[in-house]
Amino acid sequence: NAGVMQNPRHLVRRRGQEARLRCSPMKGHSHVYWYRQLPEEGLKFMVYLQKENIIDESGMPKERFSAEFPKEGPSILRIQQVVRGDSAAYFCASSPSPGAGRKAYEQYFGPGTRLTVT
Amino acid sequence: GENVEQHPSTLSVQEGDSAVIKCTYSDSASNYFPWYKQELGKGPQLIIDIRSNVGEKKDQRIAVTLNKTAKHFSLHITETQPEDSAVYFCAAQKGGSYIPTFGRGTSLIVHP
Repeated sequence: NAGVMQNPRHLVRRRGQEARLRCSPMKGHSHVYWYRQLPEEGLKFMVYLQKENIIDESGMPKERFSAEFPKEGPSILRIQQVVRGDSAAYFCASSPSPGAGRKAYEQYFGPGTRLTVT
Repeated sequence: GENVEQHPSTLSVQEGDSAVIKCTYSDSASNYFPWYKQELGKGPQLIIDIRSNVGEKKDQRIAVTLNKTAKHFSLHITETQPEDSAVYFCAAQKGGSYIPTFGRGTSLIVHP
């Protein structure tokens, strides 16, 4: 039973390029969350999605960042025109649907994508 | 919004000792408190959680306590082992919300 999968694990981009980070949730999970982690800091919420719907994007910068979770395929976090300050670890987590009751609050994280902007 | 403070930022113990990590939260509407363990180069792993209708929960060598009045909760690890070395994050989540607010983490080092 595969857990949350993220790829690539490491991504190097030059300033101005685009970065695409992918996340496949755990089997049976329909909700996906993206977080950013800077060195020696906690996880900062970015966006919360379900299939074909953004539920909460209050933590995502208004410019250059976008996220989607299509009906088929993985969730994608896209960063356009990357800058050095975007260098961080980006984690995806998934959870069951709210119909799962208490289990819906439990989030399971992927291994992360470490983005380095040169 | 919710604010979660976590202490200490670093904790060094000898194998076999106990370790305690403390967190406080600001929003009295928070009612779900998960704890995550993050090993080097990996994603956070949910290790234990507690809901506001209980004051304590235990799972083998780890336990969590919650004081709703004081708005603080703690993680207790007994008989620590070197493999417990990791960064531990606490989080608080409001009722009806699926988005936790995380503390800044505690780096636990267990010396053999």
